[in-house]
Amino acid sequence: AQSVTQLGSHVSVSEGALVLLRCNYSSSVPPYLFWYVQYPNQGLQLLLKYTSAATLVKGINGFEAEFKKSETSFHLTKPSAHMSDAAEYFCAVSEGRAQKLVFGQGTRLTINP
Amino acid sequence: DAGVIQSPRHEVTEMGQEVTLRCKPISGHDYLFWYRQTMMRGLELLIYFNNNVPIDDSGMPEDRFSAKMPNASFSTLKIQPSEPRDSAVYFCASSAAGEGTGELFFGEGSRLTVL
Repeated sequence: AQSVTQLGSHVSVSEGALVLLRCNYSSSVPPYLFWYVQYPNQGLQLLLKYTSAATLVKGINGFEAEFKKSETSFHLTKPSAHMSDAAEYFCAVSEGRAQKLVFGQGTRLTINP
Repeated sequence: DAGVIQSPRHEVTEMGQEVTLRCKPISGHDYLFWYRQTMMRGLELLIYFNNNVPIDDSGMPEDRFSAKMPNASFSTLKIQPSEPRDSAVYFCASSAAGEGTGELFFGEGSRLTVL
């Protein structure tokens, strides 16, 4: 069965600094991978997704993620953090065209002024 | 286009009462999911439907929980009787199989507090 591990339940960076949120997955078949963001008191919104095309995926709000099969990783990055990036971020995996997503535990991102 | 609509947004009830949460998926989407979010357990998939038929309910915690989808535009999640440990945010999400990528669209959630 597929699973996702997010390293670090809480990440804190300064405004303007690099954001790096880590995600490792386990899947028996080529996976589809996702990053979702959740702002306080809201549902989850899709940031970006990997569906076996380009390994470097660009998403909304300046975020990007790179699929590395050898490392079974899909880390999320943003070159320069903005205060509005403060939120909880979830990595998720689905197996191929299966519609069922399995989510990681989430990483809360705090931005310091 | 309206997104996934959930009601109520907040529900406070007493232990033993019946709770019904409602969801209207995005028109044209043929998959519907119910997730539960808590601090301790994160996001858990409870059940999902395809074309109104339940496909996987292995995440439903116990018989007190039930979910229905009588038509393509409406689903309910019912807890009877409710217990304090059911307190959580319940999310409904929908997706379109034709996309083939598993992208889910989430509602804003129903925050349930059982006293």
